[in-house]
Amino acid sequence: EAGVVQSPRYKIIEKKQPVAFWCNPISGHNTLYWYLQNLGQGPELLIRYENEEAVDDSQLPKDRFSAERLKGVDSTLKIQPAELGDSAVYLCASSLGTSGMGTDTQYFGPGTRLTVL
Amino acid sequence: AQSVTQLDSHVSVSEGTPVLLRCNYSSSYSPSLFWYVQHPNKGLQLLLKYTSAATLVKGINGFEAEFKKSETSFHLTKPSAHMSDAAEYFCVVSPPGGYNKLIFGAGTRLAVHP
Repeated sequence: EAGVVQSPRYKIIEKKQPVAFWCNPISGHNTLYWYLQNLGQGPELLIRYENEEAVDDSQLPKDRFSAERLKGVDSTLKIQPAELGDSAVYLCASSLGTSGMGTDTQYFGPGTRLTVL
Repeated sequence: AQSVTQLDSHVSVSEGTPVLLRCNYSSSYSPSLFWYVQHPNKGLQLLLKYTSAATLVKGINGFEAEFKKSETSFHLTKPSAHMSDAAEYFCVVSPPGGYNKLIFGAGTRLAVHP
């Protein structure tokens, strides 16, 4: 079974430029998550989707970040414009979405490492 | 508020010796607890999870963790380290009713020497 796929794996851009990350979750997984992982820290949730609905985007900086999950499958996370402090790894994860009790295993992709110059 | 504290940012062991990675959690209620491992350039992988069943949880690759409510701890152990165990390990808490929200610790980097 294929895991969570993310692209690109690496991206280098100059500040103020836009950037987009793509995620394809495991087939059949209804819940999709985007996380931000700064160097030397654990991941932090940015946004969670249940099918195509964003049900938790409280940690998403909405002035420059946006996300979408059209048709409830693939998802795109965008930053416009990028700032130096956005340099980090952006992780996508998915889960079946059958439990709201914290026992639904999340499967993570390899991440996209963003460098903003 | 829910949180986890990983007590060591770096742990170094020799191959064949025991591994102990320490984690304390803060939670008002009985949370779900997890350990994830992250190898370089690979996605986070679930090692094991505690969800209020047996307090001693066995995971993959010979790892296990024990939930101790009185000590609010969930330490990860392995009897004998292997070179392939070298990676970053994250202790994670998911608060009850939190709709699968994961709160990660800062991570512990495990080095294994021959």
